Amino acid sequence: AQTVTQSQPEMSVQEAETVTLSCTYDTSESDYYLFWYKQPPSRQMILVIRQEAYKQQNATENRFSVNFQKAAKSFSLKISDSQLGDAAMYFCAYRSFVGGTSYGKLTFGQGTILTVHP
Amino acid sequence: EAGVTQFPSHSVIEKGQTVTLRCDPISGHDNLYWYRRVMGKEIKFLLHFVKESKQDESGMPNNRFLAERTGGTYSTLKVQPAELEDSGVYFCASSRTDLYEQYFGPGTRLTVT
Repeated sequence: AQTVTQSQPEMSVQEAETVTLSCTYDTSESDYYLFWYKQPPSRQMILVIRQEAYKQQNATENRFSVNFQKAAKSFSLKISDSQLGDAAMYFCAYRSFVGGTSYGKLTFGQGTILTVHP
Repeated sequence: EAGVTQFPSHSVIEKGQTVTLRCDPISGHDNLYWYRRVMGKEIKFLLHFVKESKQDESGMPNNRFLAERTGGTYSTLKVQPAELEDSGVYFCASSRTDLYEQYFGPGTRLTVT
């Protein structure tokens, strides 16, 4: 079974600065997807960024980028130019893709609470 | 386009009672997922519907939990009888196909006393 670990229960950053959230995972599969989801306080969880394991290039979405290290099974999220609206709980998640079939269920990490200071 | 909705937003029941949670997915989304987060732990998968069929129910904790999706539209998750350890936040998500992004609902906070 796959596991996802977020070792930072809480992180904080000053507005306009950069912060990196860590995520490691354990799997024996070679193909899979990795995601970062964001859940602002009292709001719905939304997808921030996704990475396909077969792609060597790190995914980027505006101020959000990932550092995907497949051999090390590491998938960190970097938030540049942090904004107050980035304050949220961030979840790292894994989804299998075996034999050309995507298995829809997500396996989540424990979450990291990000605080942004003005 | 309306998002995923869940009802109720919060439910407080006594141990031994029954509770039914409802999820309305985004229109046109055949895939519907249930997850839950118990006592600040990680979010865990419960089950996955494709239309009205259960594709994967490997995460259902025990037979006190019953999920249905009649007609392939909304889904219900019934807990009967509820136990203290069932307290947590129950999330529903939907996607157009299993390859696409899952859109999450706001969750139902269940408190069993």
